Amino acid sequence: DIQMTQSPSSLSASIGDRVTITCRASQGISGYLSWYQQKPGQAPKLLIYARSTLQSGVPSRFSGRGSGADFSLTISNLRPEDCATYYCQQTFMTPFTFGPGTTVDI
Amino acid sequence: EVLLVESGGSLVQPGESLRLSCAASGFTFSPYAMTWVRQAPGKGLEWVAVISGNSDTIYYAHSVRGRFTISRDNSKNVLSLLMNSLSAEDTAVYYCARSVTSHYDSGLDYWGQGTLVTVSS
Repeated sequence: DIQMTQSPSSLSASIGDRVTITCRASQGISGYLSWYQQKPGQAPKLLIYARSTLQSGVPSRFSGRGSGADFSLTISNLRPEDCATYYCQQTFMTPFTFGPGTTVDI
Repeated sequence: EVLLVESGGSLVQPGESLRLSCAASGFTFSPYAMTWVRQAPGKGLEWVAVISGNSDTIYYAHSVRGRFTISRDNSKNVLSLLMNSLSAEDTAVYYCARSVTSHYDSGLDYWGQGTLVTVSS
């Protein structure tokens, strides 16, 4: 199975900051990488799919990049509503594993 | 408006079975792959199973293979998850989710609100 790791596991930032979360797969996943945001008591929300494609309706301050096994999610100009847990997921090979999550506090 | 509404979650005893359903509306159901994802209390997301639009492709997580069965009824726009031999480790909120595209290996763009399954004696 492909193992997904994320770093950091949590971070604290200020309004307006630029925040980057990294996600590493245990093998190359050829861009089959999605990012989700989850707030307490809510279902996850898709932010980015196919490594860098911004999901419709998601603010452009969210961006994704990477290749091979190393990917990142960047939040530019951090807003209060960005306080959440962020998960990456690979869909290159089943089982389609999620990363352990990164909690962003403001 | 795309809506996914899960139902069927409840408190069951270890070894029992349970069937979850996910009613889809607001989009043409049949072309889209559908996925079940679960989240144990206070834990992260765990991918459970995926089924293609015409049900010819199905995959399971190792932890549920042989015990869970994913299926769909495109005539009724319903996704199901039959769960047998439940154990405490299956306690979680179960979400159904739709693939962004018709391909099962894409991101999940719409999610239901989740249904809670509790396995306890």
